[in-house]
Amino acid sequence: AQKVTQAQTEISVVEKEDVTLDCVYETRDTTYYLFWYKQPPSGELVFLIRRNSFDEQNEISGRYSWNFQKSTSSFNFTITASQVVDSAVYFCALRLIQGAQKLVFGQGTRLTINP
Amino acid sequence: DVKVTQSSRYLVKRTGEKVFLECVQDMDHENMFWYRQDPGLGLRLIYFSYDVKMKEKGDIPEGYSVSREKKERFSLILESASTNQTSMYLCASSSPYNEQFFGPGTRLTVL
Repeated sequence: AQKVTQAQTEISVVEKEDVTLDCVYETRDTTYYLFWYKQPPSGELVFLIRRNSFDEQNEISGRYSWNFQKSTSSFNFTITASQVVDSAVYFCALRLIQGAQKLVFGQGTRLTINP
Repeated sequence: DVKVTQSSRYLVKRTGEKVFLECVQDMDHENMFWYRQDPGLGLRLIYFSYDVKMKEKGDIPEGYSVSREKKERFSLILESASTNQTSMYLCASSSPYNEQFFGPGTRLTVL
């Protein structure tokens, strides 16, 4: 069975600080996808990124970056120079490439950016 | 843009009532999913469907059923609502092996 753990339940930082959200996953399969979703106060989950298990390259998109390390089964998400609009609940998720296409989610991290 | 809509944002029902939650997507996606979201537990999969009239149980199907008569519509049914089904319900859709797109959610309260 697959499992995703986001140990940080809540994080609160001051605007312009950098913040890293941790994600650790467990799976016996060697082929899988990892995802990050953002859930703003409106409630709708917004897709941020998908990485597959073959590609350990880090990714940067504007102020967002992701660090994927298979050796530690981690897929961490960093926001640089945080802004109030980044306040949301962030979910990490895993899905196997073969078989059922269901997502397994972590518990979520509530990020609050204070002005 | 992909659009997934859910019939209600907020719903209040009484114990024992039959409850229907509707989800519609406009991107011709084959896959549709129902999750519930509870604090500290993240999202948990209730049911999913790969095609019309097909359904598969997720991780917590007890107390729920689903219906998919048309490709764009996926309904979640609570046959006899109970207070422990008070939760946020999220619908999602995807094409095979691609990311899921989510609706805005329905916050259901069962009194």
